[in-house]
Amino acid sequence: GAVVSQHPSRVICKSGTSVKIECRSLDFQATTMFWYRQFPKQSLMLMATSNEGSKATYEQGVEKDKFLINHASLTLSTLTVTSAHPEDSSFYICSARESGKANYGYTFGSGTRLTVV
Amino acid sequence: QKEVEQNSGPLSVPEGAIASLNCTYSDRVSQSFFWYRQYSGKSPELIMSIYSNGDKEDGRFTAQLNKASQYVSLLIRDSQPSDSATYLCAVNSGGYQKVTFGTGTKLQVIP
Repeated sequence: GAVVSQHPSRVICKSGTSVKIECRSLDFQATTMFWYRQFPKQSLMLMATSNEGSKATYEQGVEKDKFLINHASLTLSTLTVTSAHPEDSSFYICSARESGKANYGYTFGSGTRLTVV
Repeated sequence: QKEVEQNSGPLSVPEGAIASLNCTYSDRVSQSFFWYRQYSGKSPELIMSIYSNGDKEDGRFTAQLNKASQYVSLLIRDSQPSDSATYLCAVNSGGYQKVTFGTGTKLQVIP
């Protein structure tokens, strides 16, 4: 089955620093990947849609200059949280679906738990 | 009105019983429907997908879709304590890649 690898699984950083999270589709190509954020006991919140070779599409209220997304290849998307603050502490999850399989479900990465101290 | 609605629960069922999870959606052109299971602290895992009206069975899981009523459900037979998790309903509208998630229903299976 489709596998999405996300790295790191857990990261602690100091306020003001930047953190990069990687999302890789291991056995398929994905022109589109999605980034979600989830606070404790809350639902998934879509942050942005990552498009290979073009700019990401951000959801309303998500700062694109703070959450930088790069989708440089058909198997890799990265999310960089810039100038992180404690309120950015959350569970970040990516998802992807094999290109051309519109009716298939999306596969999620294992998530990255970010703690900003 | 939320695009995808679920009762947040918790839904408590005794071990061995049938758990019934429900979801309604607002976009009539929606074509693909998914159920994900999310354990606490983990990312969601796809357990069922359904595209046509009617029932789809996979092991102890049955997904039911009624497009006229804009309703999709998930039945879990012979519920086990290991089924205790939050179940997310997701809807993919035709022509769009974006999947909209409900807020999830927390299921508790009591031994």
